[in-house]
Amino acid sequence: GAGVSQSPRYKVAKRGQDVALRCDPISGHVSLFWYQQALGQGPEFLTYFQNEAQLDKSGLPSDRFFAERPEGSVSTLKIQRTQQEDSAVYLCASSLEGQPQHFGDGTRLSIL
Amino acid sequence: AQRVTQPEKLLSVFKGAPVELKCNYSYSGSPELFWYVQYSRQRLQLLLRHISRESIKGFTADLNKGETSFHLKKPFAQEEDSAMYYCALSGRSNQAGTALIFGKGTTLSVSS
Repeated sequence: GAGVSQSPRYKVAKRGQDVALRCDPISGHVSLFWYQQALGQGPEFLTYFQNEAQLDKSGLPSDRFFAERPEGSVSTLKIQRTQQEDSAVYLCASSLEGQPQHFGDGTRLSIL
Repeated sequence: AQRVTQPEKLLSVFKGAPVELKCNYSYSGSPELFWYVQYSRQRLQLLLRHISRESIKGFTADLNKGETSFHLKKPFAQEEDSAMYYCALSGRSNQAGTALIFGKGTTLSVSS
């Protein structure tokens, strides 16, 4: 089966615009994670879902960041009023409970 | 604080030479340690998990709780090993979720 799918692969937006990033996890994976990877850094945790429940959002850098997974499958990470420091690769990962995470290709977001 | 440190940004070796990618961690508790690898133009993928105690592609890593280290080793490097390597710690836990804490990564370059 297919792995974790993320779209778009690349997104360019002007400062102040809103963006939405999509993650389609591996079928049957109850756990879903979002990470942010700045240039030259390792991925940093943003938020975690177990099915449709957002159990941990402590890594979200500001209230401009919002994530949802309404039906326990596809997840969307939304960033409102984007700023230049939001430029990064956004990675989604999914897993079965207690098993290693499988990562998508990421969305490279550039804010001009 | 929970932290993963990879002291080398770049490691360059010749084909056939031994390789050791260093990883130290800080964690209060019983950690789970991982090595993830990202080959050129590919997604992040799991290489090793310490609880599995297996060798993948000739790589091994032993968890040393006394030194809080999880160094990745391979006796004879191959050109196809050239990639970015991330050490990661499974730390923050919320019910079944185990977000990963990554180091900044080490680029391994193997030349002939």
